[in-house]
Amino acid sequence: QKEVEQNSGPLSVPEGAIASLNCTYSDRGSQSFFWYRQYSGKSPELIMSIYSNGDKEDGRFTAQLNKASQYVSLLIRDSQPSDSATYLCAVKKTSYDKVIFGPGTSLSVIP
Amino acid sequence: GAGVSQTPSNKVTEKGKYVELRCDPISGHTALYWYRQSLGQGPEFLIYFQGTGAADDSGLPNDRFFAVRPEGSVSTLKIQRTERGDSAVYLCASSVDAAMGGYTFGSGTRLTVV
Repeated sequence: QKEVEQNSGPLSVPEGAIASLNCTYSDRGSQSFFWYRQYSGKSPELIMSIYSNGDKEDGRFTAQLNKASQYVSLLIRDSQPSDSATYLCAVKKTSYDKVIFGPGTSLSVIP
Repeated sequence: GAGVSQTPSNKVTEKGKYVELRCDPISGHTALYWYRQSLGQGPEFLIYFQGTGAADDSGLPNDRFFAVRPEGSVSTLKIQRTERGDSAVYLCASSVDAAMGGYTFGSGTRLTVV
């Protein structure tokens, strides 16, 4: 079992819709969770971090964490064509541990 | 510097040759990370430094790979006897401290072994 799993996609949503991206992780003791966005040919950039169960909202983005189910999700409201990218889920076991990335989910927002 | 700087941006080398990839982190960032990314995959951890020492090198695939950070700033990833399977984008990232989870990535070095 891989440490961090994501649906590879591609996920296609129409402009203005809600995009829902999902991630599961294997280590129940993991403490920190991140979503990175990666445009084609570019490096990953951090868009959200979440550390406790529940929802965390930042503009059009909402991260959701359920440690009991070992599940993290990212919701993008009012999706825009500029949101088209690969979204990487990343998990950190302890404070001084390295971040482990999932394979990413490709999102395409159709105008 | 203002961002994480990686050089060269592209490197083509022949199988069996030695290469060095350089990373200059954001000024004041004590933690520095090396990842590599193949097409269609997520970044794969190689090694990270907290200051000058390698805090975790568990991701280095074999003894052909080595990294240093002698003064706690610039880091060099060294690959000996390169193989075609080493071809990937090598990403460097830094953070204020290893306890901080949000990394800032450089633009990467695309290594092609022919």
